[in-house]
Amino acid sequence: AQTVTQSQPEMSVQEAETVTLSCTYDTSESDYYLFWYKQPPSRQMILVIRQEAYKQQNATENRFSVNFQKAAKSFSLKISDSQLGDAAMYFCAYRTLEYGNKLVFGAGTILRVKS
Amino acid sequence: DVKVTQSSRYLVKRTGEKVFLECVQDMDHENMFWYRQDPGLGLRLIYFSYDVKMKEKGDIPEGYSVSREKKERFSLILESASTNQTSMYLCASSTLDRARNEKLFFGSGTQLSVL
Repeated sequence: AQTVTQSQPEMSVQEAETVTLSCTYDTSESDYYLFWYKQPPSRQMILVIRQEAYKQQNATENRFSVNFQKAAKSFSLKISDSQLGDAAMYFCAYRTLEYGNKLVFGAGTILRVKS
Repeated sequence: DVKVTQSSRYLVKRTGEKVFLECVQDMDHENMFWYRQDPGLGLRLIYFSYDVKMKEKGDIPEGYSVSREKKERFSLILESASTNQTSMYLCASSTLDRARNEKLFFGSGTQLSVL
């Protein structure tokens, strides 16, 4: 079974600075998807960024980018120019390509942004 | 706009009660999921369904059952609610077609308290 580990329960960043959230995972599969989801106080889960394992290029979405290290099974999220609206719980997730496409989530990292 | 609607945002029930959590999606998605979210544990999969009347156990199915009589509706049932089922419950849906958008769409969650 796949597992996802987020070792940082909480992180803080100053507004306009850069922060990196860590995620490692364990799998025997060679093809899969990885995601970062954001959950603000509204509780609505928002997809931040996704990475397909067969693509070597790291995904980027505006201020959000990932460092995907397939051999090390590491998938960190970098947030540049942090904004107050980035404050939220962030979940790393792994998606198998087995029938059902279910997601396995990490425990989450609370990100606080200081003004 | 795509939508996953959970019938209640907050619910308070007594120990031993039968509890129904309803989820409806308007995107004609094949896959639907029920997760529970607990601090320090992230989201854990309870049950999922990839078609009408089909269901598969997730990682923590004990004490729960599900029903999917129509494609758009996926119900989570707590046959006899217990205090350790106090949690946030999140419903999600996704398409089965890998060529289309693969992300999960989430509802806003139901915070269930069992007293």
